[in-house]
Amino acid sequence: GENVEQHPSTLSVQEGDSAVIKCTYSDSASNYFPWYKQELGKGPQLIIDIRSNVGEKKDQRIAVTLNKTAKHFSLHITETQPEDSAVYFCAVYAGGTSYGKLTFGQGTILTVHP
Amino acid sequence: EAGVAQSPRYKIIEKRQSVAFWCNPISGHATLYWYQQILGQGPKLLIQFQNNGVVDDSQLPKDRFSAERLKGVDSTLKIQPAKLEDSAVYLCASRPPGETQYFGPGTRLLVL
Repeated sequence: GENVEQHPSTLSVQEGDSAVIKCTYSDSASNYFPWYKQELGKGPQLIIDIRSNVGEKKDQRIAVTLNKTAKHFSLHITETQPEDSAVYFCAVYAGGTSYGKLTFGQGTILTVHP
Repeated sequence: EAGVAQSPRYKIIEKRQSVAFWCNPISGHATLYWYQQILGQGPKLLIQFQNNGVVDDSQLPKDRFSAERLKGVDSTLKIQPAKLEDSAVYLCASRPPGETQYFGPGTRLLVL
């Protein structure tokens, strides 16, 4: 089955700095790569996603890059703010639109210090 | 648009007891998932429904876990009997056509 590795497990930055989280995956058939943010006591919330036919996608301060050849993708957060502090999960989707499933990374605890 | 609803939000039981969780997906979402999230880990898929049929339950411990989705809408997940290692957050997610999944707030289970 799919194997997703996520690094680092913890990341501490100063407000205004950039943060980068990286994930690698094993199944070359994977075609959809979402990132989720999970705050304490809440369920994961989708923040950005990218499909296999796109190399980069940006939404305000958040961007995701995908290298299908190397089977890795990254989340970039610029101008970090204290409210960005949370656990971030990458995920990989394989299978058709009806029966596919997500495999999650282990998570990164991001702490943004004011 | 209302999100995925789950109840209860918290549950504390003793080992060997039974427990049930309920999920109401976003209206119109045919696909429903149950995940188990152990502290410090990513969510792990337990079971996937397409309407009221099971698509994937390969990682569901069927000797103690069961799930159903009657009428293709609400779903329940049951554990009987519970073990200490079942302490986790149980997340329900639903999906419209496409790949994006939407998660509920989860039920936090503590087994003593």
